[in-house]
Amino acid sequence: DGGITQSPKYLFRKEGQNVTLSCEQNLNHDAMYWYRQDPGQGLRLIYYSQIVNDFQKGDIAEGYSVSREKKESFPLTVTSAQKNPTAFYLCASSIGRAGGGNQPQHFGDGTRLSIL
Amino acid sequence: RKEVEQDPGPFNVPEGATVAFNCTYSNSASQSFFWYRQDCRKEPKLLMSVYSSGNEDGRFTAQLNRASQYISLLIRDSKLSDSATYLCVVINNAGNMLTFGGGTRLMVKP
Repeated sequence: DGGITQSPKYLFRKEGQNVTLSCEQNLNHDAMYWYRQDPGQGLRLIYYSQIVNDFQKGDIAEGYSVSREKKESFPLTVTSAQKNPTAFYLCASSIGRAGGGNQPQHFGDGTRLSIL
Repeated sequence: RKEVEQDPGPFNVPEGATVAFNCTYSNSASQSFFWYRQDCRKEPKLLMSVYSSGNEDGRFTAQLNRASQYISLLIRDSKLSDSATYLCVVINNAGNMLTFGGGTRLMVKP
């Protein structure tokens, strides 16, 4: 089945540790996105990528890094510089940039990150 | 003013009721609009696109009012299973950025 796979489902981070969240899609989508969602809040954009080897900062990029070496993969690293990383992280993809105008985003089922 | 705003609710309605949510946006040149549904602790899932002429999918009707810069979602004959958070999404005029509203929580009671 085509879709977006995020792993792990749950992740725990120690102080001073970097952790990487995986996002893989087999939908042949060009654009991929990372969002953060805090309890009772909406989604906030961390980073997005419209094409391989290119990515842009979103609204809350500080303390995060990404790479886009392959079309299918867009891993997110939560660095030790992110002082409040506990949140629900959602990866999404769309056919073209921002969904190519009329195409919506499709989401993975998320990773819950907590501090130990 | 936030780019995309929604009443967070919760909207508590009995089964069978009709309920409507609005979502306002600040960029008058925004070009595309969607409604997503998010269940507790799950990812958002696309509910429906919002077309200029309005569109209907079963019990759900979405409308766009460009003059007043809002989109709406109407749910008729509410079911218990409609209980969720409904997120509106707006794509900007350049077509390169989606913005999510904060979501409206709906609780349908027996």
